[in-house]
Amino acid sequence: DQQVKQNSPSLSVQEGRISILNCDYTNSMFDYFLWYKKYPAEGPTFLISISSIKDKNEDGRFTVFLNKSAKHLSLHIVPSQPGDSAVYFCAASASSQFYFGTGTSLTVIP
Amino acid sequence: EAQVTQNPRYLITVTGKKLTVTCSQNMNHEYMSWYRQDPGLGLRQIYYSMNVEVTDKGDVPEGYKVSRKEKRNFPLILESPSPNQTSLYFCASSSWTGGRNTEAFFGQGTRLTVV
Repeated sequence: DQQVKQNSPSLSVQEGRISILNCDYTNSMFDYFLWYKKYPAEGPTFLISISSIKDKNEDGRFTVFLNKSAKHLSLHIVPSQPGDSAVYFCAASASSQFYFGTGTSLTVIP
Repeated sequence: EAQVTQNPRYLITVTGKKLTVTCSQNMNHEYMSWYRQDPGLGLRQIYYSMNVEVTDKGDVPEGYKVSRKEKRNFPLILESPSPNQTSLYFCASSSWTGGRNTEAFFGQGTRLTVV
């Protein structure tokens, strides 16, 4: 059973606008969350993370929000750029294992 | 340059013929793991290792073996591959600090086809 879910397989956004990618999880023991970005023919690369003791973490154009009561996290990209077009995976951890979502393919239209 | 190296990048094999996919990291990371990526299923963890000679099953370990004889290497072994193991495989490594995994570095992937 999928413990981490990304319910939107794809998302298209105009360049310069905000991209919001969503992720839901079921396991309340998860205490560390990450976002990865993946280009075709490459491995995923780490983007940003957040610990469960926080509700927001920001790094440049990327912000991750965590709502523990809703078991929901989101990644905001502002402003979106064409180079952000990729598949984004969220992941969650409760010590030694990582659980990944199914990914959201983001297309930023110039 | 910090990196995780997998070989081969592409492999076509026949059912039942044993194969090994190698993985090596140069960051002195304690934690290494293998994932498979399938359409609609995302990345699923096959096996992981928290240090030398310490390995454990992930979510989908059936049909796979691993070993961790040295800190830098973590090969994935398919003793008798079957067509349902056709997939894109990723090796990853990360630091294990204070009982917590840090962000993982991934290899470039191995596209395996079993016919």
